[in-house]
Amino acid sequence: EVQLVQSGAEVKKPGESLRISCKGSGYTFSRYWINWVRQMPGKGLEWVGRIDPSDSHANYSPSFQGHVTISSDTSTSTAYLQWTNVEASDTAMYYCARQSPAFDLWGRGTLVSVSS
Amino acid sequence: EIVMTQSPATLSVSLGERATLSCRASQDVISNLAWYQQKPGQAPRLLFYGASTRASGIPARFSGSGSGREFTLTISSLQSEDAAVYYCQQYSNWPPWTFGQGTKVEIK
Repeated sequence: EVQLVQSGAEVKKPGESLRISCKGSGYTFSRYWINWVRQMPGKGLEWVGRIDPSDSHANYSPSFQGHVTISSDTSTSTAYLQWTNVEASDTAMYYCARQSPAFDLWGRGTLVSVSS
Repeated sequence: EIVMTQSPATLSVSLGERATLSCRASQDVISNLAWYQQKPGQAPRLLFYGASTRASGIPARFSGSGSGREFTLTISSLQSEDAAVYYCQQYSNWPPWTFGQGTKVEIK
């Protein structure tokens, strides 16, 4: 089955580091970009950034540049979204999505909660 | 950055009636426009790409049209399972890819 499986929910305190994952299966992972999309509680969809797993080159939305890092590992068909210092405003659902040419395959989301 | 504007914010339609959703881009995105459906507690689902190409498994009552800056998603005969929030997205100019703010379709 073609799918993206995301890691489980996270609860963090401000200033902590965090990495969430997105594992592709059922297709050739390196052939498609993986995007990350944020959805804050009760709000719409915001594009965070994307990575090309074939060369690990990432691009970011200006709104997220410098605050998050996107990486990938083709040996495990996994993409990552990470923070070195999470903030309360990072509380949201984060989705990964394959791009071909639009976002045709989505993970179920990882809920990130940040609170002191 | 290309700004995507959807209207209306909320659309109330009776079962079996037509629903028409609009999406406007601040710049020409050619036909690099997608529509997504999101139901509560679920991930978004791709409905259309290339403005009018139906994604796999999408019922024929859904149709997409437009090019350039103006786009439309039409549900020809609304079913109860169509109650959801619908988003448009441009993938023409980046970064960033941008989404509209969403249109909530509810059953009247």
